[in-house]
Amino acid sequence: EAQVTQNPRYLITVTGKKLTVTCSQNMNHEYMSWYRQDPGLGLRQIYYSMNVEVTDKGDVPEGYKVSRKEKRNFPLILESPSPNQTSLYFCASGTSGEFYNEQFFGPGTRLTVL
Amino acid sequence: GEDVEQSLFLSVREGDSSVINCTYTDSSSTYLYWYKQEPGAGLQLLTYIFSNMDMKQDQRLTVLLNKKDKHLSLRIADTQTGDSAIYFCAERGGFQKLVFGTGTRLLVSP
Repeated sequence: EAQVTQNPRYLITVTGKKLTVTCSQNMNHEYMSWYRQDPGLGLRQIYYSMNVEVTDKGDVPEGYKVSRKEKRNFPLILESPSPNQTSLYFCASGTSGEFYNEQFFGPGTRLTVL
Repeated sequence: GEDVEQSLFLSVREGDSSVINCTYTDSSSTYLYWYKQEPGAGLQLLTYIFSNMDMKQDQRLTVLLNKKDKHLSLRIADTQTGDSAIYFCAERGGFQKLVFGTGTRLLVSP
């Protein structure tokens, strides 16, 4: 089954404790992206990757890191989480190109930073 | 810059039509999308429209695009309780980025 998986689905942590949220897709997509969803703000892009070893900042990159060592994986790293990073996080993947491309979303990771 | 706005909430009765509205600012957007988010799930693409089209129909869904006013709408005919969800419009920004609206929570009552 074609899908985007994220782990963990739920995470409660404390300020300053490094964490990684994994994202994996099995559709051979070049493009991958991380978004955060906050009430009243919709989804905002954190980082994206056009292909392996190519990553770039989205609209709200502060406090986050990513890496793209393999095509299928795009982990999101919070080196020193803070309470304002409490949010619902979505990973997405899609094909590259100028034309229409559907992005496929993972199920989300709900993160609480105390 | 890119900015997409939606009303936050819509309540309808089962069997009625629902109309969810969206305004966007980037006139260069080539594609505009409607995504659906069911409780506890990720977003799923419902439909999309290319910027050279005025209307697109797909079963119970009708998308209308007014480029002059930068207004996009999604009409759901014969709305069912299973249509209750959050609906996001999105425009395609640079580098395949999706710029999302705030989302409209649709509540369908029996």
